[in-house]
Amino acid sequence: EAQVTQNPRYLITVTGKKLTVTCSQNMNHEYMSWYRQDPGLGLRQIYYSMNVEVTDKGDVPEGYKVSRKEKRNFPLILESPSPNQTSLYFCASSLSRQGVNYEQYFGPGTRLTVT
Amino acid sequence: RKEVEQDPGPFNVPEGATVAFNCTYSNSASQSFFWYRQDCRKEPKLLMSVYSSGNEDGRFTAQLNRASQYISLLIRDSKLSDSATYLCVVKGANFGNEKLTFGTGTRLTIIP
Repeated sequence: EAQVTQNPRYLITVTGKKLTVTCSQNMNHEYMSWYRQDPGLGLRQIYYSMNVEVTDKGDVPEGYKVSRKEKRNFPLILESPSPNQTSLYFCASSLSRQGVNYEQYFGPGTRLTVT
Repeated sequence: RKEVEQDPGPFNVPEGATVAFNCTYSNSASQSFFWYRQDCRKEPKLLMSVYSSGNEDGRFTAQLNRASQYISLLIRDSKLSDSATYLCVVKGANFGNEKLTFGTGTRLTIIP
């Protein structure tokens, strides 16, 4: 089954304790992205990657890191989480060809609480 | 001004009714437009793309008005299963980032 998986689905942690949220897709997609969703603000892009070893900042990258060592995986790293990073996080992937719109597939989401 | 603006609702509509949502976008250079659906506590899923000439998919009709920079979604003969949040989504023209810009969503509840 074609899908995007994220782990963990739920995480409660304390300020300053490094954490990683994993994202994996089995569709051989080039493009992967991380979004966060907050009430009243919609989904906002954190980082994206056009292919292996190619990553770039989205709209709200502060406090986050990513890496893309393999095509299928795109982990999100919070080196020193803070309470304002409490949010619902989605990973997404799609094919990417200039001028062509491909559907973005989203993972099931990771609900993170930082106390 | 937000890049993509939607009426947050909620819209409470009786089953079988027709309901319409509008969405406005600020960047006139935007090239691609979509409606995504998000069920409570679930991930967004593509409902339909929006084409310049307007398009229909079963009970759903999407329209694009570039001059006024708005997108609409019409749902006919609404079903209980249509209850969800509907996200207006815009993609820019730049190749290099497939970033989607999301509206905050319009919440729809279909009442039996």
